[in-house]
Amino acid sequence: EAQVTQNPRYLITVTGKKLTVTCSQNMNHEYMSWYRQDPGLGLRQIYYSMNVEATDKGDVPEGYKVSRKEKRNFPLILESPSPNQTSLYFCASSLLRQGALPGNTEAFFGQGTRLTVV
Amino acid sequence: LAKTTQPISMDSYEGQEVNITCSHNNIATNDYITWYQQFPSQGPRFIIQGYKTKVTNEVASLFIPADRKSSTLSLPRVSLSDTAVYYCPRNEKLTFGTGTRLTIIP
Repeated sequence: EAQVTQNPRYLITVTGKKLTVTCSQNMNHEYMSWYRQDPGLGLRQIYYSMNVEATDKGDVPEGYKVSRKEKRNFPLILESPSPNQTSLYFCASSLLRQGALPGNTEAFFGQGTRLTVV
Repeated sequence: LAKTTQPISMDSYEGQEVNITCSHNNIATNDYITWYQQFPSQGPRFIIQGYKTKVTNEVASLFIPADRKSSTLSLPRVSLSDTAVYYCPRNEKLTFGTGTRLTIIP
């Protein structure tokens, strides 16, 4: 079954304690992206990746890091989480055809990770 | 730079047809128009995609005029389960914005 898997689904942590949210897809997609969703602010992009070893900042990258060492995995790293990073996080992937845009094929989303930083 | 604009919210009664419009400023010639649906606490789900004219699937229809500066998502005979947020994302980096919150009234 084609899917994007995020772990953990729920996480409560304390300020400053480094954490990683994993994202894995089984569709051999080139494009992957991380978003956070907060009430009234919609879905905001944190980082995206066009392929292995090719990552770039989205609209709200401060306080986050990512890596793309393998095609299937795109972990989101919070080196020193703060309460303002409490949010619902989504990972997504899509096929990137040559000369096409990332959104020109169907994107698949993970189930979400609800993070609370106290 | 391409940009999409859509209404923040809409209300409709059950059984009616709902049309949600998105404007696509500076859409590229190689860009498709795509719509997603999101329920609370779930990731967005692909609904429909088109390049121009009309596309229909089992869920919705998508109308795109010849100039491709706008698109209209049409949901026929909506039910309470169609209450959700609908997005027409920018495709260069797949960014979504705030979408249109559709509320279906019984």
